[in-house]
Amino acid sequence: GAGVSQSPSNKVTEKGKDVELRCDPISGHTALYWYRQSLGQGLEFLIYFQGNSAPDKSGLPSDRFSAERTGGSVSTLTIQRTQQEDSAVYLCASGLVVNTEAFFGQGTRLTVV
Amino acid sequence: AQSVTQPDIHITVSEGASLELRCNYSYGATPYLFWYVQSPGQGLQLLLKYFSGDTLVQGIKGFEAEFKRSQSSFNLRKPSVHWSDAAEYFCAVVSFREGYSTLTFGKGTMLLVSP
Repeated sequence: GAGVSQSPSNKVTEKGKDVELRCDPISGHTALYWYRQSLGQGLEFLIYFQGNSAPDKSGLPSDRFSAERTGGSVSTLTIQRTQQEDSAVYLCASGLVVNTEAFFGQGTRLTVV
Repeated sequence: AQSVTQPDIHITVSEGASLELRCNYSYGATPYLFWYVQSPGQGLQLLLKYFSGDTLVQGIKGFEAEFKRSQSSFNLRKPSVHWSDAAEYFCAVVSFREGYSTLTFGKGTMLLVSP
């Protein structure tokens, strides 16, 4: 596609349920990033992929969060047993290689009720 | 690890006035620096970037930024602000870890434009 695509754009889920957020990066981009944006908190780094491997998972807030990337393309961020504090906008970005600019998707707004 | 500080959480500027948004970074060598803009409900859009060379870089929408190594700064400027510039602005730096690098953002500055 022309840009980074994220789905769904909005997700409302009940506390305790699992959710999956999807990111389709720009074709050919090897670097992929997940960030979380909460009101007034800026962008919180979650995880970074180079190809299919994730050299840095240090930003994942807890073991309820996991992410994978297959075929060097699509990535899925999974949150298990969602909590209200997980409510935020989850942003995905991709880049040709690391050290170049990242292109962002529109984000997924997650609301846990 | 590298870090980015945007000291101003909010800034209000009159339409037509000049703008400067501050960004300070911590890094020993020459950093890779970026400014992004986020309009309400939108993703982030790259305004400009600095990797090396000329320290004054031009970006889209009439923005420019100047890299000043002595001050560890990369401030964003625009000579005349338009109402459509109201948005949140993020400064970012490439952070180098062992064997890889990633992108670290400041907490952002919200720009409000008054008539």
